[in-house]
Amino acid sequence: DAKTTQPPSMDCAEGRAANLPCNHSTISGNEYVYWYRQIHSQGPQYIIHGLKNNETNEMASLIITEDRKSSTLILPHATLRDTAVYYCIVRVFQGAQKLVFGQGTRLTINP
Amino acid sequence: GAVVSQHPSWVICKSGTSVKIECRSLDFQATTMFWYRQFPKQSLMLMATSNEGSKATYEQGVEKDKFLINHASLTLSTLTVTSAHPEDSSFYICSAVPAVEGETQYFGPGTRLLVL
Repeated sequence: DAKTTQPPSMDCAEGRAANLPCNHSTISGNEYVYWYRQIHSQGPQYIIHGLKNNETNEMASLIITEDRKSSTLILPHATLRDTAVYYCIVRVFQGAQKLVFGQGTRLTINP
Repeated sequence: GAVVSQHPSWVICKSGTSVKIECRSLDFQATTMFWYRQFPKQSLMLMATSNEGSKATYEQGVEKDKFLINHASLTLSTLTVTSAHPEDSSFYICSAVPAVEGETQYFGPGTRLLVL
């Protein structure tokens, strides 16, 4: 699986949009971009995934660049409960493949 | 939907004893489950892949005789830490992949193990 690069930490004001970047310059054509988050002392929570088109669900939006070498996870109206470590993972969308977690981005939402 | 539970949520045991951790998919069947370990201030590390009805596949460096995995049904996988030692103290997390969807992993809440 391709490696991802994320900033170690970010801050965002409550109520503002949180934009979390991820670089995956070696991504292959059959690899998807997955985002998970882990709130302190809990298991990771699935957020969203995509291949090349932008995706949106009730939690977030995922913007993938045209060359697919980077992506941005957008939390449109961040709340204090969004404080967590966010992981960007690329993997082949083929069966139950294992996830390789990097260090992620520690997002702190400030009141 | 896609809820995964773990039991117990935390456990304290004496060195040398064995501890069993259960991972259940509550509202879906999972042919594949994964077991991860997370030490303080570190990321998750995959320990093994568990497939229903077959032997688990362990990651390099993970002792299969120490971390016994059983996936006897489509909704339950167990991890037994045998002869636990203080260095086994960690946060153990499982994930499950719905058999129908077959792709996205859903994680349990984790089990914190402290070996004295």
